[in-house]
Amino acid sequence: GAVVSQHPSWVICKSGTSVKIECRSLDFQATTMFWYRQFPKQSLMLMATSNEGSKATYEQGVEKDKFLINHASLTLSTLTVTSAHPEDSSFYICSAPTSGSNEQFFGPGTRLTVL
Amino acid sequence: QKEVEQDPGPLSVPEGAIVSLNCTYSNSAFQYFMWYRQYSRKGPELLMYTYSSGNKEDGRFTAQVDKSSKYISLFIRDSQPSDSATYLCAMSALMNRDDKIIFGKGTRLHILP
Repeated sequence: GAVVSQHPSWVICKSGTSVKIECRSLDFQATTMFWYRQFPKQSLMLMATSNEGSKATYEQGVEKDKFLINHASLTLSTLTVTSAHPEDSSFYICSAPTSGSNEQFFGPGTRLTVL
Repeated sequence: QKEVEQDPGPLSVPEGAIVSLNCTYSNSAFQYFMWYRQYSRKGPELLMYTYSSGNKEDGRFTAQVDKSSKYISLFIRDSQPSDSATYLCAMSALMNRDDKIIFGKGTRLHILP
């Protein structure tokens, strides 16, 4: 199957700082990528849809100015958590569908801890 | 009512037993049904993918969809300790990049050696 990577796999930061998370499709091109957030013992919640070359589409309740998404190439989308606070601590996962199938491939996730 | 309901468990069964995992949903527009397996601190991995009603078998795994009851199941035969993980059901109305996938909360499964 297709491979999606994320970097970093975990990050610890101080409150008020910004953190950038990268999502890469390693062996296929992805015009669309999805960003999810998963709190402990909770479901994956879609945050936004990242579109290559255009603005991301955010889900209701997700602050677009706080969670900046950039999809500058067909293999890379970035999520920047700006002015992070402890309540932003979560597991952030990206996914991307391949053009040849409807299956979404998930990255390994990034665990963010904001102190 | 939430769109997708899934018992979070944990569910503990002895090795070799048959495991039954279930989800119910409320949106009759859902046509595509998926089961993902997620190991601790890892991203979800697609196990089974079913369109509309019916059964689908893949090795030790069988997925069932009953659209009339809005109920889906995943059966694991001859369960192994390596099957211990969280299993998430997921579904969508369409299956293209423009449609959202709605996930259940996941059921934590422990297979006891």
